[in-house]
Amino acid sequence: QSVLTQPPSTSGTPGQRVTISCSGSTSNIGRYTVSWYQQLPGTAPKLLIYSNNQRPSGVPDRMSGSRSGTSASLAISGLRSDDEADYYCATWDDTLNGPVFGGGTKVTVL
Amino acid sequence: QVQLLQSGAEVKKPGASVKVSCKASGYTFTSFAIHWVRQAPGQGLEWMGWINTFNVNRKYSQKFQGRVTITRDTSATTVYMELNRLRYEDTAVYYCARQVEPGWFDPWGQGTLVTVSS
Repeated sequence: QSVLTQPPSTSGTPGQRVTISCSGSTSNIGRYTVSWYQQLPGTAPKLLIYSNNQRPSGVPDRMSGSRSGTSASLAISGLRSDDEADYYCATWDDTLNGPVFGGGTKVTVL
Repeated sequence: QVQLLQSGAEVKKPGASVKVSCKASGYTFTSFAIHWVRQAPGQGLEWMGWINTFNVNRKYSQKFQGRVTITRDTSATTVYMELNRLRYEDTAVYYCARQVEPGWFDPWGQGTLVTVSS
């Protein structure tokens, strides 16, 4: 059972917009910024969003993040077939004194 | 470029130990902490622990406390993760990751598959 809660899966057709939620608590998302990772099949996680809504260089602006209270979300607009991957949210947790991850959301492009 | 390069796949018997290395390059080694995260087959990411590469302070997840040891060799710019008393359920891909800010990791190593099998 992950500390951060994400839906197990979501799907969309090419060109659509999908959003992934990440729910936490006052000891984690409520206090620290959230990052998001994309994991393509058979590869290591890759940083997608940091500090709630910042994109590293090379990440397209189709990817966007936001945080409000103890929840965060990732939006993917203009969905493409190569967006098919698992997506994880992460942040720090004061109670554990360590990072916590969401359980991951599998995005399927129909 | 900033890179973390991990050691190769391992096959171990139950009860044995495994030591995975993570060599950092492209940045000042002691300026960033390194975390270890594992992923069992078909499962999500699970944090194991981290090391402050500057002062060697360490913190382990309660789940692995007593079985895991994270060390570093500054001259080799390498961090090591040793897991003892291996069980079948320790079969997983083990990743190291550089912490940029608390809860924010970039980059990640390529992963090391550890298989526990008799």
